[in-house]
Amino acid sequence: GAGVSQSPSNKVTEKGKDVELRCDPISGHTALYWYRQSLGQGLEFLIYFQGNSAPDKSGLPSDRFSAERTGGSVSTLTIQRTQQEDSAVYLCASTLSTSGRYEQYFGPGTRLTVT
Amino acid sequence: QQPVQSPQAVILREGEDAVINCSSSKALYSVHWYRQKHGEAPVFLMILLKGGEQKGHEKISASFNEKKQQSSLYLTASQLSYSGTYFCGTASGGSYIPTFGRGTSLIVHP
Repeated sequence: GAGVSQSPSNKVTEKGKDVELRCDPISGHTALYWYRQSLGQGLEFLIYFQGNSAPDKSGLPSDRFSAERTGGSVSTLTIQRTQQEDSAVYLCASTLSTSGRYEQYFGPGTRLTVT
Repeated sequence: QQPVQSPQAVILREGEDAVINCSSSKALYSVHWYRQKHGEAPVFLMILLKGGEQKGHEKISASFNEKKQQSSLYLTASQLSYSGTYFCGTASGGSYIPTFGRGTSLIVHP
């Protein structure tokens, strides 16, 4: 069956430009998470969506970061005016619910490099 | 608050055992364990819910001590395929968003 997909797989951008990263979760999964993983670091939570509820944005590092989820499915993470410290792998994960009882299925990630 | 994993790195020979620990300063509802190979996405291993249960997956098992707010991952008779970085994710009752530790790098040599 189809897993979580993300696009693009790699993105190189110049400092100051905006980027959009896309995530297609597993069909039927109501919860979607975005994480950031810098080299040699753990998974840093950014934002999560649960159904039609307001997203939990508590992990977003600055107001340059935003995300939306359309129709309870596809999600887009937007980074405006990118900075070099934004370089990282951005991972998306989906799960059946956010009850804490269900495993997260991760996508392959988007490697963002800001030059 | 991020859980603390120990050790940071483990180097083993095939067939040896290893234990990876995960501890939190908060009361936990669940503990998640994932393995990530270089350049790949994290892959789910198991979830443990409060109640002190122990679970097993092939030769990999884990325990969850709710009182101590700790979990341990046990890898027995390690195989080359076990190499990777292991992450624990902890979720507390107030928020079910798993918070991940920095990971433990496991290298298994022939």
